[in-house]
Amino acid sequence: AQSVTQLDSQVPVFEEAPVELRCNYSSSVSVYLFWYVQYPNQGLQLLLKYLSGSTLVESINGFEAEFNKSQTSFHLRKPSVHISDTAEYFCAVSVPDYKLSFGAGTTVTVRA
Amino acid sequence: DGGITQSPKYLFRKEGQNVTLSCEQNLNHDAMYWYRQDPGQGLRLIYYSQIVNDFQKGDIAEGYSVSREKKESFPLTVTSAQKNPTAFYLCASSIQVGSYTFGSGTRLTVV
Repeated sequence: AQSVTQLDSQVPVFEEAPVELRCNYSSSVSVYLFWYVQYPNQGLQLLLKYLSGSTLVESINGFEAEFNKSQTSFHLRKPSVHISDTAEYFCAVSVPDYKLSFGAGTTVTVRA
Repeated sequence: DGGITQSPKYLFRKEGQNVTLSCEQNLNHDAMYWYRQDPGQGLRLIYYSQIVNDFQKGDIAEGYSVSREKKESFPLTVTSAQKNPTAFYLCASSIQVGSYTFGSGTRLTVV
């Protein structure tokens, strides 16, 4: 079975500063990796995903994540955050044709 | 517009009562899922269904039941056997690996 560990439960950051959210996974087979974002009292939205190909994946709102097979990591980064990036972020892993396993989540709070 | 609709948004249950949470999708997705979310614990899978008239238990199925009589619908019943039902419940569907579409959730509170 696969599992996901998000290393930081809370990440406070100032507006326009960079942020990195750490995610490590464990699996005995090849995996697919995802980041989802959840705004207060809402469902989750897919932010970006790695299925195959380039190990660096980007979202439309400036986030990027890099798949590192040797370190079994899929860290999420943004070079300059906005107040609107305040949310909870979930890393998730799936083996092909199987259900997602989610990490415990990282709450990002952006301050002016 | 296609999407997933969960209702109600807020639900209050008395001790010993069964309640049913609704989840409907018009995305033509085969697979549907129910997750429970508690602070600091992420999302835990309750039940999932990959095809009509078939479903499997997830990691925390005790005290819950589901049905999948139609492709569009996957209701979740929280029974009186669930000892700590207060939580945020999320329904999702998917047609391909990992690209889940989530509903906006139902917040259940035991009073």
